[in-house]
Amino acid sequence: ILNVEQSPQSLHVQEGDSTNFTCSFPSSNFYALHWYRWETAKSPEALFVMTLNGDEKKKGRISATLNTKEGYSYLYIKGSQPEDSATYLCAPPTSGTYKYIFGTGTRLKVLA
Amino acid sequence: EAQVTQNPRYLITVTGKKLTVTCSQNMNHEYMSWYRQDPGLGLRQIYYSMNVEVTDKGDVPEGYKVSRKEKRNFPLILESPSPNQTSLYFCASSTGLVTEQYFGPGTRLTVT
Repeated sequence: ILNVEQSPQSLHVQEGDSTNFTCSFPSSNFYALHWYRWETAKSPEALFVMTLNGDEKKKGRISATLNTKEGYSYLYIKGSQPEDSATYLCAPPTSGTYKYIFGTGTRLKVLA
Repeated sequence: EAQVTQNPRYLITVTGKKLTVTCSQNMNHEYMSWYRQDPGLGLRQIYYSMNVEVTDKGDVPEGYKVSRKEKRNFPLILESPSPNQTSLYFCASSTGLVTEQYFGPGTRLTVT
């Protein structure tokens, strides 16, 4: 089974702080890397799908980078707001199959 | 409106009583998937389907069945539910592995 690790497991930041989290995955046979945002009592929503080494994606104050050679992706949130409070999940589909393996997520709490 | 629907949203049942959770999408997506979410374990894939009549096991398929007779529908069947299948279930769909998944609203199942 593909091992996907996310760190930290949880963090609390103050409103206005910038923060980042990490998703680590085996670099061999890389196919793609998905980031999802999951608010409590709702369903996961896609943030980014990244496929190329060095790829950078941005959506508002949230951005992500990808390093497929070393097997990691960073998610950045600039100027965190209370509405950014959620669990952020990463999932690389496994090459050669059509399975998804999700990390256990980083739970972010932004304090007003 | 593009969406993934699941029914029922909540279900309490007893051990051994067969049940089906329906999933339907209106986006003409080829790929559909079922996940379960348990505290501390994140999202785990149960089954997925690449297209009509093409299904395969995810990481936790034991005790579940699926079928894909039509492109829009992907029901999850529990032939003989047991308490360890008490969980939050999500259905998701996408056009493929390099595009975002759209998640349904979730089904909370309790097996007593």
